[in-house]
Amino acid sequence: KQEVTQIPAALSVPEGENLVLNCSFTDSAIYNLQWFRQDPGKGLTSLLLIQSSQREQTSGRLNASLDKSSGRSTLYIAASQPGDSATYLCAVNNNDMRFGAGTRLTVKP
Amino acid sequence: GAGVSQSPRYKVAKRGQDVALRCDPISGHVSLFWYQQALGQGPEFLTYFQNEAQLDKSGLPSDRFFAERPEGSVSTLKIQRTQQEDSAVYLCASSPTVASGTIGTQYFGPGTRLLVL
Repeated sequence: KQEVTQIPAALSVPEGENLVLNCSFTDSAIYNLQWFRQDPGKGLTSLLLIQSSQREQTSGRLNASLDKSSGRSTLYIAASQPGDSATYLCAVNNNDMRFGAGTRLTVKP
Repeated sequence: GAGVSQSPRYKVAKRGQDVALRCDPISGHVSLFWYQQALGQGPEFLTYFQNEAQLDKSGLPSDRFFAERPEGSVSTLKIQRTQQEDSAVYLCASSPTVASGTIGTQYFGPGTRLLVL
C-alpha cells in the first residue's frame, strides 16, 4: 500500500523567505503527483500536477520537482507572503489518490 | 463557472442516526470521488464513480457507508447508524477524465463537516 509522508508537519517563516516542503512516497509506480493547498474550512485547490515522466513544474512563485526513483517531491515557494498561509498537501496517483497528512504553513508579516 | 458544491456544509448527528451527504459535481464531469478527512490528516479515498457506475468502493470503512450516483451527476454518501469515529470532513471531487492513469486533475468541493455526538 502506498504511503505518503510530508515533512515538516508545520512550518512558520517570516514574510519574504524562500521555503521548501517535502513529500516522500513508498511506491514509485505512480502516474502523477499533485500538490494541493487547503485553507481552513475550504476544499482543496490544485497547485501543480507533475506527470511521472516529468521532473518539475512551475507556476508563478511555486516550483515542484519529482524524483520518482527515490520517491520524493519538493514544493519550493519563493518570496513567501502571508497569503500563502495554508496547509499544503501532496497526493500521488497510482490508480487511486493517496494523500500525505500535509504541512501547515504560516507566513508571518 | 460553478465548482463542486456539497451540502450540508455542517452536520451534527447523534450516535446511531443515519445521515446523507450530497455532492453536486461540475456539470459534465465523468468521474466523482468521495474522501474522508480526519482532523490533522490528509484525505483518505472512500469510493469512485465513473458516470453512474461505482467502480471502486475499496475505501469505504464499513458496510454502514453507502454511496450512489444514479444518474451520473449528483452523488449521495449515506452513513447508517453513525458512530463517533465517523466524525470527519467528507470531501467530494470531480474530474472531466476517467480515473485510471489520468492526466487530469480533480476539483474538490468545500466538504461537509460531520460531528457525531
